[in-house]
Amino acid sequence: SQQGEEDPQALSIQEGENATMNCSYKTSINNLQWYRQNSGRGLVHLILIRSNEREKHSGRLRVTLDTSKKSSSLLITASRAADTASYFCATDAESNFGNEKLTFGTGTRLTIIP
Amino acid sequence: DVKVTQSSRYLVKRTGEKVFLECVQDMDHENMFWYRQDPGLGLRLIYFSYDVKMKEKGDIPEGYSVSREKKERFSLILESASTNQTSMYLCASSLPGQSLGQPQHFGDGTRLSIL
Repeated sequence: SQQGEEDPQALSIQEGENATMNCSYKTSINNLQWYRQNSGRGLVHLILIRSNEREKHSGRLRVTLDTSKKSSSLLITASRAADTASYFCATDAESNFGNEKLTFGTGTRLTIIP
Repeated sequence: DVKVTQSSRYLVKRTGEKVFLECVQDMDHENMFWYRQDPGLGLRLIYFSYDVKMKEKGDIPEGYSVSREKKERFSLILESASTNQTSMYLCASSLPGQSLGQPQHFGDGTRLSIL
């Protein structure tokens, strides 16, 4: 099965700086999603980008997608302490019943230093 | 807002026990999923269900089974728990159409320890 991989595995930055995380995947996709996970909690959906889109914005989040390189990046601008979390990319994948499941990457652990 | 509720946040069981993890969602979602999350391995799909009584194996189904008798409830069963099943288990639900970008909604997880 395809596996997304985030890079870096861990990132520490000062509050107010920008944070960039990257995701690579292996096969063709219809869309790519980013999720956040606070410590000890479930994942929360952040943003979706479709395969025919190259860039998308939502508040302080900016996502890019390069299907030729099979990669995506998530940029968080003007980071805050509350952004401390793990971030995962997820891609749709084929199943026996159409594309009804997602494959998640291994995550980037982001720490914002006050 | 969608709420996905997992019955236990922490659970400790013994090797060889039959273990039930329960998940309930309140948004009438067709799809439900069970993942396990281990450090360095991310989320791995165990099983998912796209309708009542329907199920499909994920990437790591060995040692697990599932039950979906009602649309809102999806149970994960460890038939005979082993220490290598110690993990964080996450349940999620979604509307149909992952290829259309439907997001998954997660519960807060059950941290299961098998002694």
